Amino acid sequence: GAVVSQHPSRVICKSGTSVKIECRSLDFQATTMFWYRQFPKQSLMLMATSNEGSKATYEQGVEKDKFLINHASLTLSTLTVTSAHPEDSSFYICSARGGGRVNGYTFGSGTRLTVV
Amino acid sequence: GENVEQHPSTLSVQEGDSAVIKCTYSDSASNYFPWYKQELGKGPQLIIDIRSNVGEKKDQRIAVTLNKTAKHFSLHITETQPEDSAVYFCAASSGDSSYKLIFGSGTRLLVRP
Repeated sequence: GAVVSQHPSRVICKSGTSVKIECRSLDFQATTMFWYRQFPKQSLMLMATSNEGSKATYEQGVEKDKFLINHASLTLSTLTVTSAHPEDSSFYICSARGGGRVNGYTFGSGTRLTVV
Repeated sequence: GENVEQHPSTLSVQEGDSAVIKCTYSDSASNYFPWYKQELGKGPQLIIDIRSNVGEKKDQRIAVTLNKTAKHFSLHITETQPEDSAVYFCAASSGDSSYKLIFGSGTRLLVRP
């Protein structure tokens, strides 16, 4: 079946530094990728939608200059959290749509970001 | 935009009993409704989904029903087992061409042995 590999699974960084999270679709071409953020005991909140080769579309309230999304190929999307602060600490999850499954969405395993 | 409401927020059942989780959505153009199970520290795992041209779908102990007129859909788990304990999320696709999935607030299911 369709698999999305997300790395790293956990990362701790210092305030002010940047962190890059990668999502790769291993056995299908992801025409669209979605990035979510999930705070403890809360639901998944959509941050942005990205289509290969075009700029990401950000949800209202999400700072595009802080959360840089790149979807340069049909198998790779990255999320870079720039100048991270403790309030950016969260669980970040990517999801890819594609793979020949109608309405199929495949989720990555998530990245636990802790900013100290 | 799409809004998805999910109830209850927590559900505790005895092993072997059934569990029902309900969701409502706002966008009448939504056509895809998946359910996900999320265990602590992991990404969501699809357990069952339904499209708007179907009223009910079943997969062993899990079933989903959809009422398009009322814009609500439900997850039914029968013969619950302790390993069913997790957080369950419903979702609905947006009715536009963005293909966004909008999630409900989640239900924490506890199956007591």
